[in-house]
This record gives sequence, C-alpha cells and structure tokens, in this order.
Amino acid sequence: GESVGLHLPTLSVQEGDNSIINCAYSNSASDYFIWYKQESGKGPQFIIDIRSNMDKRQGQRVTVLLNKTVKHLSLQIAATQPGDSAVYFCAENQSGGGADGLTFGKGTHLIIQP
Amino acid sequence: DAGVIQSPRHEVTEMGQEVTLRCKLISGHNSLFWYRQTMMRGLELLIYFNNNVPIDDSGMPEDRFSAKMPNASFSTLKIQPSEPRDSAVYFCASTMGLGGQYFGPGTRLLVL
Repeated sequence: GESVGLHLPTLSVQEGDNSIINCAYSNSASDYFIWYKQESGKGPQFIIDIRSNMDKRQGQRVTVLLNKTVKHLSLQIAATQPGDSAVYFCAENQSGGGADGLTFGKGTHLIIQP
Repeated sequence: DAGVIQSPRHEVTEMGQEVTLRCKLISGHNSLFWYRQTMMRGLELLIYFNNNVPIDDSGMPEDRFSAKMPNASFSTLKIQPSEPRDSAVYFCASTMGLGGQYFGPGTRLLVL
C-alpha cells in the first residue's frame, strides 16, 4: 500500500544552524499532514500541521513546506537548539483533519552538535 | 490541563497472559486512536473510535487484540493471550477532529 517515508534516517546539525527535515509521500489523495517530534521515552508531540490547500505554514521557529506536485513535505527548524534533538516524523491522512487514522513515516533522528 | 493519560506505563508479562492497556482522552476530545510502535515497523495505527464508535480496526493484528470505549473519555486495549511478538510501545491519541492528534506517554509492553 501507499505510505509516507523519509529520505534520511539521521541528520546532524550544528547548534544555531537551521535544520531541514524532508519527507516524501506517495498517496496523492493525502490532504492533511502533520509533523511530530518524539523524544526518547516519550510519546510523539504535535509540532505543526498543514492542509493540502496550503504550501507553507509557519509556527514558532518552525516552518512546514508542502509541494504537492512532487509529493514532498519538509520541516524547517530555525536556530536549532539542543532541545530540538529528537526523532521527527511526518504523518498524513485523507480526511482533512485529525479524525482519521494517521500514516506515519519512519522518522529522522535529528542530532545537534555543540 | 492534563494530556492523554495511559496506564500502566510499563508492563512485563509472560506469554499467554492477558494484558489490558488503559487510556483516558483529553477532556472535550471525541476521537480516540490506538497505535503501536516497534523498531521494525515504526508507528502503526491499530484502531480508532469517533464518538465511542469503532470506525476502522483493520490495523488490529489478529483476534487476540480487542479494544473498547465504554464511555466518552476512556478506552481499553486488551491482548489475550499475549505473545512475545506483541512486545512494543502502545500509544493512544485523541483529537477533537479538526486538528492534530495528541499522544499519551505510551505503555511499554514486554512479553516474555
């Protein structure tokens, strides 16, 4: 079946630099996307979401970009901090919101170098 | 405001025993999801409910797994009998429907 996947399993960045985490999805019917952060021993934490009628959405230090033409999603974290170290997952569904099961990518481990 | 609450946080049991995992939704949320996370398969949806009604249980591995939502704020996931391959972290999540799903801290299950 179709699934959401990530390009890189591990991303290492210098503290203070910007981070870009990528995600490719294959289901063209997907219309709602979420980025989650998961720290060791904890549950996934909602970061930011975007619907398919948008191509960019900004939050506090984070920006999500959606390119529906190539089915690509990215999460940009500005001025990366040690507390940003975690595994980041993209997730999607086709309901336009959260009231439907999410399909998760395999995750990217973000490592912050001092 | 409390988030999603799960219990127990850790469970170690022997093969063949019954395991019951519990979840309390965030107040006001009306959708409840059970996910399982393993290193090999990542995060997988098992089952979800909208307004206490099971909507999709196609992710439930087999008949040994069952989930209930006896009221609007509480759910259980039962495995009977448990097997070593059921060892994983089990998460529940809840939502009001228009935004993201909010996850609990998970139950770490080890079946010996």
